[in-house]
Amino acid sequence: QSALTQPASVSGSPGQSITISCTGISSDVGDYKYVSWYQQHPGKVPKLMIYDVSNRPSGVSNRFSGSKSGSTASLTISGLQAEDEANYFCCSYIRSSRYVIFGGGTKLTVL
Amino acid sequence: QLQLQESGPGLVKPSETLSLTCTVSGGSISSSGYYWGWIRQPPGKGLEWIGTIYYSGSTYHNPSLKSRVTISVDTSKNQFSLKLSSVTATDTAVYYCARLDRVVVAGSFDYWGQGTLVTVSS
Repeated sequence: QSALTQPASVSGSPGQSITISCTGISSDVGDYKYVSWYQQHPGKVPKLMIYDVSNRPSGVSNRFSGSKSGSTASLTISGLQAEDEANYFCCSYIRSSRYVIFGGGTKLTVL
Repeated sequence: QLQLQESGPGLVKPSETLSLTCTVSGGSISSSGYYWGWIRQPPGKGLEWIGTIYYSGSTYHNPSLKSRVTISVDTSKNQFSLKLSSVTATDTAVYYCARLDRVVVAGSFDYWGQGTLVTVSS
């Protein structure tokens, strides 16, 4: 099976910007607009932050943005705040087998 | 406001079948605009897609689990269910039900249940 690879951890200071990458083997991420990102605080339910690569659901701060280049999708958080400290998961789709796949997750630490 | 709630046993013995139900409130599971899915998360680990269902009964499953997974829907009760057979300790996880934001398997999960921890142990 294919995989979506994320860095295990990233960190940044309040006010700074960070980017979390999500790299797919073959063309999982490269061919589609179907990339989403989820934020999960410890012990809490995942929350949709970005869908279709770069769209924000209603209510999500515009400090969160998504993009894609080739086989790598990225989540950027600008103006880091303490409340952004959480785990972030990317998610995409393998068309050939109709298989939904999540990345391994990235722990964001706000220093 | 749409709400989803998982229910089912929190402890299942090895080799038995895990059974969970997701009850949807604040909206109809028969709405033609959405798929519904199951996702799980082993303690301290990442998310894993289990499968997705449409109110008509069409299903899609994770290939790694497919032979053990049954997902069904009961529109009269506004519920959908998960059965996972022949469980082992590696199936211990928090199980979430969720709504997809469109009628596409590749859609995003925009509403989630609170999750229920299922432990596989004798």
